Amino acid sequence: AQRVTQPEKLLSVFKGAPVELKCNYSYSGSPELFWYVQYSRQRLQLLLRHISRESIKGFTADLNKGETSFHLKKPFAQEEDSAMYYCALQAGAGSYQLTFGKGTKLSVIP
Amino acid sequence: SQTIHQWPATLVQPVGSPLSLECTVEGTSNPNLYWYRQAAGRGLQLLFYSVGIGQISSEVPQNLSASRPQDRQFILSSKKLLLSDSGFYLCAWSLPGTGRRYEQYFGPGTRLTVT
Repeated sequence: AQRVTQPEKLLSVFKGAPVELKCNYSYSGSPELFWYVQYSRQRLQLLLRHISRESIKGFTADLNKGETSFHLKKPFAQEEDSAMYYCALQAGAGSYQLTFGKGTKLSVIP
Repeated sequence: SQTIHQWPATLVQPVGSPLSLECTVEGTSNPNLYWYRQAAGRGLQLLFYSVGIGQISSEVPQNLSASRPQDRQFILSSKKLLLSDSGFYLCAWSLPGTGRRYEQYFGPGTRLTVT
């Protein structure tokens, strides 16, 4: 069975500092990885997916199959980045199931 | 545009009582529908998903059941609630077909407390 681990429950950084939210996964096949975000008083929403290799709101994430990681990074944190971030794994494109990590709360200190 | 509704927002129920949570989607046809639960200190866990009317798949054995009586309506039920059913329940939808199942749109959630 697949598993997603986000080792940090809470991450506090100063505005302008780099951010790295860690995500590790275990899955024997070829996974698809995603980051979801939930801002205060908003709904959980998709932030980005590994296959598109895109940058959303300045965030990027690279899938490292050797280290089974999918860390979310941003070079300069902004106050509006404060939110709950969830890493999610889809066990193959045909799967309906998303396996979520427990989430990391990012707090950007002004 | 598409919208997903869930109600009620909060619910307090005694052990042994029945449960019915409702989720409806507007603005799309034949969506894939999902029920998730988030228990305290745990991640989101997929409970059920549905690819069409009357088609329900369960991911984990449990005290709950789901039904899809109409294309855009998804109901989560229990005949007798347990204390362990307490948690935050989220409904979500994704576009039909195989291409974008990963892109799920979530409702506001229902906070259930079983006492």
